[in-house]
Amino acid sequence: GAGVSQSPSNKVTEKGKDVELRCDPISGHTALYWYRQSLGQGLEFLIYFQGNSAPDKSGLPSDRFSAERTGGSVSTLTIQRTQQEDSAVYLCASRPISGRGGPGTQYFGPGTRLTVL
Amino acid sequence: GEDVEQSLFLSVREGDSSVINCTYTDSSSTYLYWYKQEPGAGLQLLTYIFSNMDMKQDQRLTVLLNKKDKHLSLRIADTQTGDSAIYFCAETYTGGFKTIFGAGTRLFVKA
Repeated sequence: GAGVSQSPSNKVTEKGKDVELRCDPISGHTALYWYRQSLGQGLEFLIYFQGNSAPDKSGLPSDRFSAERTGGSVSTLTIQRTQQEDSAVYLCASRPISGRGGPGTQYFGPGTRLTVL
Repeated sequence: GEDVEQSLFLSVREGDSSVINCTYTDSSSTYLYWYKQEPGAGLQLLTYIFSNMDMKQDQRLTVLLNKKDKHLSLRIADTQTGDSAIYFCAETYTGGFKTIFGAGTRLFVKA
């Protein structure tokens, strides 16, 4: 079946512009995560959605970052007034509400590579 | 706080075994994972181990967990060039949803 998809695959923007990154999770997966992967760094947790519950935004690095998930499916990560330090690969992952292997059993999209000039 | 550490690089010859090591700090870890990331792709779950286990084997992969030392390892037998990738160690803890990832170990396989 279809996996997690993300768009665009690459995004180049100028400093100060806003960007929107999209994630389409696997159908039926109630949990959705956004991560940031910088060169040589591990995955930095950004935000977590689970069903209709309030999202956990504890990983968002500043108020320039926001995310929403509409209808429990598609999610959009928005970065306002982008800075050069925002350059990274942004990964989305989803998982079903229950399943083998605990909460770390996540299905990842291919990521969006963001470059801020 | 939680932390997961891995060495950044490993180079092996094709056909040899690879051993990738990881240490973690959270003693309440419930599950530990190994993910693989190929160039330009997202992470793919390779295997996981529950914290009450010492070892798990899955075809060419062997996971060893030393809970006392908070040490996790992934052994890949008969390493192939297709195994060249970044390998991430990760953990979750009881009652949590967050998964803490290490920085990843880049495995180079020389033909």
